[in-house]
Amino acid sequence: DGGITQSPKYLFRKEGQNVTLSCEQNLNHDAMYWYRQDPGQGLRLIYYSQIVNDFQKGDIAEGYSVSREKKESFPLTVTSAQKNPTAFYLCASTRTSGNQPQHFGDGTRLSIL
Amino acid sequence: GDSVTQMEGPVTLSEEAFLTINCTYTATGYPSLFWYVQYPGEGLQLLLKATKADDKGSNKGFEATYRKETTSFHLEKGSVQVSDSAVYFCALPPGSGGYQKVTFGTGTKLQVIP
Repeated sequence: DGGITQSPKYLFRKEGQNVTLSCEQNLNHDAMYWYRQDPGQGLRLIYYSQIVNDFQKGDIAEGYSVSREKKESFPLTVTSAQKNPTAFYLCASTRTSGNQPQHFGDGTRLSIL
Repeated sequence: GDSVTQMEGPVTLSEEAFLTINCTYTATGYPSLFWYVQYPGEGLQLLLKATKADDKGSNKGFEATYRKETTSFHLEKGSVQVSDSAVYFCALPPGSGGYQKVTFGTGTKLQVIP
C-alpha cells in the first residue's frame, strides 16, 4: 500500500544539537509539506515543496531547514537555532493537480533532553 | 486570502448524542472542501470531502454538505461513539494560480463519554 512514512516516531534532542526528521512517500506525489503541532493547537506550516530541488518557507520556518533532492523524500532538520522545538511534527504530501486532499504520516514527537 | 473558521472546542457529548461541528470558509472560486480526523498520537486522516456545491460527503456515519450560499461545510453525525473521540479539522485544498498552501481550521476536539 502506498503511504507516507515518518521516522523516528520519538526523538530527543540535546541542547545545541541539530536533528533530522525523515519523511518518505511512495504515492508519487509532487508536493510535500512539514507541519508543527503543539499540544491542543492546530497545524502550522514550516516548509513546503512542490517539485524536486525547490521549496518555500511556510509560516514558521525560522530554526528549520529542508531539502528535496528526490521526489520521494523531504527531510526536515531542526537546528539549534530553534529554541523551542518540543512539538509533534507531521509530514504530508499531495498531488498538485486539482483540489486534492493531503495524505499524512503518523508524525514524529520531538522532545528536549 | 483563503480562510477557514471552525467552532472552538472542546466538545463533550454523551454516547449516541447528535454531533455538529461548524465550519465556514472564505475562498476564491469553488474549491473542494475536506474534513480530516486526528486520533490521539496519530497523523491526520481524510474523513470526507465534497468537490462542488450541494455535494454531500459521507464516511463512517459522518456527513457534511457543501453549502455555497452560506459558505459552510458543517460536520454532522447522528449518533456518536466513544471511538469518535478525536480532533476534527476542516480544510481547503491548495488553491489555483500556484498557491499551494493548504488552509486548515484550528481543529475541534471531540470527547465522547460513555
